[in-house]
Amino acid sequence: EPEVTQTPSHQVTQMGQEVILRCVPISNHLYFYWYRQILGQKVEFLVSFYNNEISEKSEIFDDQFSVERPDGSNFTLKIRSTKLEDSAMYFCASRGRANQPQHFGDGTRLSIL
Amino acid sequence: SQQGEEDPQALSIQEGENATMNCSYKTSINNLQWYRQNSGRGLVHLILIRSNEREKHSGRLRVTLDTSKKSSSLLITASRAADTASYFCATDGGTYKYIFGTGTRLKVLA
Repeated sequence: EPEVTQTPSHQVTQMGQEVILRCVPISNHLYFYWYRQILGQKVEFLVSFYNNEISEKSEIFDDQFSVERPDGSNFTLKIRSTKLEDSAMYFCASRGRANQPQHFGDGTRLSIL
Repeated sequence: SQQGEEDPQALSIQEGENATMNCSYKTSINNLQWYRQNSGRGLVHLILIRSNEREKHSGRLRVTLDTSKKSSSLLITASRAADTASYFCATDGGTYKYIFGTGTRLKVLA
């Protein structure tokens, strides 16, 4: 069964550094998402992406965050200047059509030192 | 309560028993999904139920949806130790994003 894959599985970065999290969505999917989950808390929506542009973003997704689909397969989340509070699991998800389920990757654990 | 709020927060049962988890939400939805998350891992999609559906089955899972009460339930029958995980409901609120609840931590004792 097709899967969403995320790399790396764990990223350790110094505060203030830029970080790029990578995702390969399921190949024929059209909608792409990033979520984050701070340890012990609920999964929070960050941003959705459709037709090569952001469809919706949350208050968390401020100017430090950006997303890109640089080619036909990758979907990336960039954090320009990381803060301690950015430490979390970051999940990528993709969906085929409306009213179809979102499929999640295994996540990238981001640790900011 | 917040969008996609599950109860109970934690549930501990014996293997072979049934587990029921509930989810309440606030806004109208197109669909509601249930996910499972094993500790430190990704979210595994279990069932999607559309707003015009009332009940859906998948193996040992049964999901109900009551849009008049803005609530859903997930029933796991004949539970197994491998069902131990956190279970989340997620609602789309009619938009592109999904709002997750705080989850129910299920522990199935062998």
